[in-house]
Amino acid sequence: DAGVIQSPRHEVTEMGQEVTLRCKPISGHNSLFWYRQTMMRGLELLIYFNNNVPIDDSGMPEDRFSAKMPNASFSTLKIQPSEPRDSAVYFCASSLQTGQAVTQYFGPGTRLLVL
Amino acid sequence: QKEVEQNSGPLSVPEGAIASLNCTYSDRVSQSFFWYRQYSGKSPELIMSIYSNGDKEDGRFTAQLNKASQYVSLLIRDSQPSDSATYLCAVLGGDYKLSFGAGTTVTVRA
Repeated sequence: DAGVIQSPRHEVTEMGQEVTLRCKPISGHNSLFWYRQTMMRGLELLIYFNNNVPIDDSGMPEDRFSAKMPNASFSTLKIQPSEPRDSAVYFCASSLQTGQAVTQYFGPGTRLLVL
Repeated sequence: QKEVEQNSGPLSVPEGAIASLNCTYSDRVSQSFFWYRQYSGKSPELIMSIYSNGDKEDGRFTAQLNKASQYVSLLIRDSQPSDSATYLCAVLGGDYKLSFGAGTTVTVRA
């Protein structure tokens, strides 16, 4: 079975440009998570969805960041306008929430570099 | 914000030795605990989950949980060079959000 799919795998852009990251969760999973990982701050949760509904976006750094999940098989994370400090690896993860057994499976990540 | 603290490392062990990784957490209501392994340039992958006090063994890995002390650990027995990676402790809160520690980098010397 395919795991979590993310695209693009690498993105290099200039400051001020719009960046859109994409994620396809594992089929059948009902929760989707967007994380950001940097050396300084480690792995941070940005936002998570349950049954396509945003549940908690308290980790979204500022209004420049937005996320959508129009259906169970697709989500986007958009940064507009991008800034150099947004450079990081962005991971998407999905899980099937059934009580305590909520193992999250991570995608390969998108390495973003904002110049 | 829930706090998850790991021994900072890096941890260097000879091949065949036991690597011991420690993690403490601050949220007393947490019930689910996970260890993820992350190779350099790769995504985190789950290697162990533990929900009850005591030990849980899976191959060369043993996770230990003590909820009273808010402590979870991971032992890697007979360490192999392929175990060289960063190990992330993760704690699930009542809101289904995972909080991750900063990670401990393990290097196994051949």
